[in-house]
Formats: sequence, C-alpha cells, structure tokens
Amino acid sequence: GDSVTQMEGPVTLSEEAFLTINCTYTATGYPSLFWYVQYPGEGLQLLLKATKADDKGSNKGFEATYRKETTSFHLEKGSVQVSDSAVYFCALSDNTGGFKTIFGAGTRLFVKA
Amino acid sequence: EPEVTQTPSHQVTQMGQEVILRCVPISNHLYFYWYRQILGQKVEFLVSFYNNEISEKSEIFDDQFSVERPDGSNFTLKIRSTKLEDSAMYFCASSDRGATGNTIYFGEGSWLTVV
Repeated sequence: GDSVTQMEGPVTLSEEAFLTINCTYTATGYPSLFWYVQYPGEGLQLLLKATKADDKGSNKGFEATYRKETTSFHLEKGSVQVSDSAVYFCALSDNTGGFKTIFGAGTRLFVKA
Repeated sequence: EPEVTQTPSHQVTQMGQEVILRCVPISNHLYFYWYRQILGQKVEFLVSFYNNEISEKSEIFDDQFSVERPDGSNFTLKIRSTKLEDSAMYFCASSDRGATGNTIYFGEGSWLTVV
C-alpha cells in the first residue's frame, strides 16, 4: 500500500541555519503531497502542498518540490527561527477510494537561539 | 477562515466506558475523517466518511468504533468500550475534494485519556 518515509529526528539547528527534512513516498497512483506542522500542544496545520510532478509548494519560507522521478518531497527552509520548532509531517493523499491522507512518522525540529 | 471544530478538547474516562467525540466539519465539505495520534507517535488514519457512509477504514477501526453524521453539521466518533490503549489525540478532518488537491483540514484534536 501507499506509504511515506521521512528522516528520523530530532533535528537540532541553530537559528538562521539551513533546514532539510527528507521525505520519500510509495504510491500506486498519482498522489498529492503535503507537509503538515504540529506546534507543541496544538493540532495539525497544513504547511504546504503540491498536487502534481514538479510542482513546488511554499509557505512561510518553507519549500518542497514534488519529484516524481525520485518519489521525494523534501522540505527546505533557508534560515530557520526558534519559532519553527515543531514536529513536521510529510503526507500523501491518494486519489482513490476515501481520499485518505497517509502520514510519515514525523520529524521533530528544535531550533536554538 | 473556516475551520474544523472538535469537542471536548480533553476527556478522561474509565476503561470500559463509552465515549463520543464530536466534530463540526467545514460547512461545504463532503469528506470527513477521523485520525488518531498516540502520544509521541505517528498520525494514523481511522476512517473516512462520504455520502453518509464509511468509504474506507483502517484495521484500527474495529467493532468498538463507529461514526455517525446525525445531522447536517456534526460528525461523531463513538468508542463503545474504551481500553487503555485507546488513549490518544483524536483528530477530525474534512475536505471538499475539489480543486484543493485533496487537502484535508484538521481540527485541534480531542485528547482522550482512558484510566
């Protein structure tokens, strides 16, 4: 079945460092891809998405490009802030049946001042 | 901005008791979902619901679970006889399946603690 694999955390960075969180997926169809963020004690918020190959999703300085050839959707940010500390989930939404979203295990990011 | 709302935000219940978690999806959405997240673990799909019936469910969603859309606005998850391992954050979500690329919008979650 469809699945999402993302790099294990935690990831600890200093403020203004470059961030990459790797994500790869397995899907039988043509899924949409997402990054969700969960701040401490809060629910899941959509960070960005891409719905087809070569699309780039971006929001709040974060970017991810849908790479069909490598089945990847890596999250990047050029300069992280302390306020970016959260858990980041890569996810895909299949285009069949109930259109459910499948999540990766999540990567916790700590940003130090 | 429209949002998915969930109640209660936190519930503590004794093992074996029935629990109902409530959700109000975004009003023009057609697909509804429940997910759960055991503390510190991944977000797991439970069930999807469309056109007043379950469209897909996971292995987690056994006979102890049920969902209902009792009226035009609410979407509920019932756990008939709670177990300790049901302790988790339960997220309701909805989507319109339109030009949004199947984006689903999550509520803030309901913490369930079974003691």
